[in-house]
Amino acid sequence: DADVTQTPRNRITKTGKRIMLECSQTKGHDRMYWYRQDPGLGLRLIYYSFDVKDINKGEISDGYSVSRQAQAKFSLSLESAIPNQTALYFCATSGPGQGGEQFFGPGTRLTVL
Amino acid sequence: GDSVTQMEGPVTLSEEAFLTINCTYTATGYPSLFWYVQYPGEGLQLLLKATKADDKGSNKGFEATYRKETTSFHLEKGSVQVSDSAVYFCALVDTGRRALTFGSGTRLQVQP
Repeated sequence: DADVTQTPRNRITKTGKRIMLECSQTKGHDRMYWYRQDPGLGLRLIYYSFDVKDINKGEISDGYSVSRQAQAKFSLSLESAIPNQTALYFCATSGPGQGGEQFFGPGTRLTVL
Repeated sequence: GDSVTQMEGPVTLSEEAFLTINCTYTATGYPSLFWYVQYPGEGLQLLLKATKADDKGSNKGFEATYRKETTSFHLEKGSVQVSDSAVYFCALVDTGRRALTFGSGTRLQVQP
């Protein structure tokens, strides 16, 4: 079984709809991250969390919110989706003593029409 | 802030050719450096890493050396295979957020 899972894997929605992307991990890591990948731009940080009570904005948090329901779960929400939020979204985790290495989920491809 | 610059692709090579993908960075202090690989339709996998100056990371025939004096972490492989076709990302981790800053990615296409 995968250590970091994301649901759904693909989603097509319409402008203005609320969308939630979910991430779960079995690695026991405290740190979790949400990134967005756009062609030619690499991955950019949306939000990150060091534990259940610690949520922080990344470089491109506008239009997004997150919830850390438990150590193992970190959800990303788009309250009112817009077309320029069409992208590939990745969840990642990291733990102590990893030298900063992060472990990525398989990604969610989101299309906003 | 921190930044990573890597060569634009796509890079197209014949099987068994030598590969270099250039990566330079700007950061405060001496961050850990990484190369991640993304195969078609998949998430990112760590390919190799280096945590301090002059460290050489290696894996699956790929190598990269942490060069503090040139702030570089170039990826090399002596003989590429078709199965190496993927997108390669250079990245660094900042010491505060422990979040990754990525380059824009380089697509490698290896032809038989």
